[in-house]
Amino acid sequence: QKEVEQDPGPLSVPEGAIVSLNCTYSNSAFQYFMWYRQYSRKGPELLMYTYSSGNKEDGRFTAQVDKSSKYISLFIRDSQPSDSATYLCAMSGLRNNNDMRFGAGTRLTVKP
Amino acid sequence: ETGVTQTPRHLVMGMTNKKSLKCEQHLGHNAMYWYKQSAKKPLELMFVYSLEERVENNSVPSRFSPECPNSSHLFLHLHTLQPEDSALYLCASSQGTSGGLSSRSTQYFGPGTRLTVL
Repeated sequence: QKEVEQDPGPLSVPEGAIVSLNCTYSNSAFQYFMWYRQYSRKGPELLMYTYSSGNKEDGRFTAQVDKSSKYISLFIRDSQPSDSATYLCAMSGLRNNNDMRFGAGTRLTVKP
Repeated sequence: ETGVTQTPRHLVMGMTNKKSLKCEQHLGHNAMYWYKQSAKKPLELMFVYSLEERVENNSVPSRFSPECPNSSHLFLHLHTLQPEDSALYLCASSQGTSGGLSSRSTQYFGPGTRLTVL
């Protein structure tokens, strides 16, 4: 079993749709959960992060963590064509950055 | 220039060639990383340098050789690569390598070098 599982997609939605992106993981030591956005021909950029369980909202984006199910989600409301990118989940424990594990990324296209 | 830059952006090489990838960070960070990103696979951490000392080598084949001459520059020297080494190679930097979430641990990525091995 992979440490982090993420459906690579591709996912295509119409503009204005609500998008749900998800990852599951197996290592219960993960405490910090991140979402990166990667545009074509660019490196990943940190979009949101959360610690332990719960929700975090930032504008149209909501990150959700359910540690009991080892499941994290990123919701995008009122999706825009500019949201078209690959979204990578990442997670780490307490020790150091070397423990960070990434999902494979989900490629999202928002059509006008 | 600002942020993390990588050169070249694209590289095509034969299996017998020797080439080097360069990364430069303009953020005043102390830690730098090399990652490999293959299609539909998770980012794979290759090497970590903290204060110019290698602190992590994740079982990377010896045909990849990193070099960190100072805290702003990181190189990845390539020789006798295989076609399966074709991928996007990403460099990242952070203020430190401590775990958790803080301004010290946040990693900033460069745009990557798209490598094709023929």
